[in-house]
Amino acid sequence: KAGVTQTPRYLIKTRGQQVTLSCSPISGHRSVSWYQQTPGQGLQFLFEYFSETQRNKGNFPGRFSGRQFSNSRSEMNVSTLELGDSALYLCASRPQGDLRGEQYFGPGTRLTVT
Amino acid sequence: TQLLEQSPQFLSIQEGENLTVYCNSSSVFSSLQWYRQEPGEGPVLLVTVVTGGEVKKLKRLTFQFGDARKDSSLHITAAQPGDTGLYLCAGGSGNTPLVFGKGTRLSVIA
Repeated sequence: KAGVTQTPRYLIKTRGQQVTLSCSPISGHRSVSWYQQTPGQGLQFLFEYFSETQRNKGNFPGRFSGRQFSNSRSEMNVSTLELGDSALYLCASRPQGDLRGEQYFGPGTRLTVT
Repeated sequence: TQLLEQSPQFLSIQEGENLTVYCNSSSVFSSLQWYRQEPGEGPVLLVTVVTGGEVKKLKRLTFQFGDARKDSSLHITAAQPGDTGLYLCAGGSGNTPLVFGKGTRLSVIA
């Protein structure tokens, strides 16, 4: 079974631009969570989608948004990029909606904002 | 706000040595997970512990959940270069998102 895939793997953007990241979960998994990882703050939860509905949202500004499609694939969008948005963005999927259950991470998208 | 503190932040040891890393909180968690993350990859789940006092072993790795379910430790026996990576603990409570510690970066030198 293929793992979680994320595209693109690397991205360089300029301040003020917007970016869309994509995540394809493991086949059959309905829950997708997004995280931001930085050296200073570690892994921070952005949001979680289950069956196309956002069920949980972390403490990030409204510039960060996401959505999930009927095939469980998910996208996250960051508008008006700031230098501080430079980070590794990780997507994780799990079979069901129980947030305590095992989740499987993708390799991440490394975003650099200049 | 639930927080997980991991210590030490960095650890560099020689191959064959033993080590313990810690994950502490003032909050009670219903479950605690440990992940290992290697450069250029996402975290990979090593173990989940759910019962206070629980001990789980995974080859040379021993995981313990504190009796009060507020802390956990990971002990590695006879570390090998392949153990190098970032070790993350994550606490779960109810149906809220996992809370992650900032990690312990382990380097095992051959």
